[in-house]
Amino acid sequence: RKEVEQDPGPFNVPEGATVAFNCTYSNSASQSFFWYRQDCRKEPKLLMSVYSSGNEDGRFTAQLNRASQYISLLIRDSKLSDSATYLCVVNMNTGFQKLVFGTGTRLLVSP
Amino acid sequence: DADVTQTPRNRITKTGKRIMLECSQTKGHDRMYWYRQDPGLGLRLIYYSFDVKDINKGEISDGYSVSRQAQAKFSLSLESAIPNQTALYFCATSDSAQETQYFGPGTRLLVL
Repeated sequence: RKEVEQDPGPFNVPEGATVAFNCTYSNSASQSFFWYRQDCRKEPKLLMSVYSSGNEDGRFTAQLNRASQYISLLIRDSKLSDSATYLCVVNMNTGFQKLVFGTGTRLLVSP
Repeated sequence: DADVTQTPRNRITKTGKRIMLECSQTKGHDRMYWYRQDPGLGLRLIYYSFDVKDINKGEISDGYSVSRQAQAKFSLSLESAIPNQTALYFCATSDSAQETQYFGPGTRLLVL
């Protein structure tokens, strides 16, 4: 089983739609979780951290489900500019800051 | 100016050649990382360094070496490049107090 698994997509949605991605992780001891955004041929950039209580940043909401070992990202009112690949990232808590990156979920928002 | 820079941005080389990728940062971070990204495999850690005197292997260090010349500089070398090292290489930095990693723009390497 991969340490971090994501559906590669692509998810094709119209502008204004709501879309959600899930990501599962294998290490139950993992403590920290993140969503990064990566545009084509660009570097990954932190979108948001995921806290136990969940967190929201504008149109983006991240949730953590420790019992089922998955995190989710919800995007409301999708914009064309949201088109990108979203990387699920987990700190495996192995004694140093080892971040394990998922392969990413590609989102395409169309007019 | 970018906080994390990488040179070169693109490089084509031949099998067996030695090549060095360089990374510099102005963020004042003590931790630096080298990753490679391949289609369908995601980002994989090659080497990481927590300070100038601390170098550690990541999950795919074979065929690579690194040098931490200063807190702000971390270089990745391919002593004898091979075609399966063709990939997009990213340098990243982080502060010991935070988990967020900041990435450079990447180096696209093609080994023929």
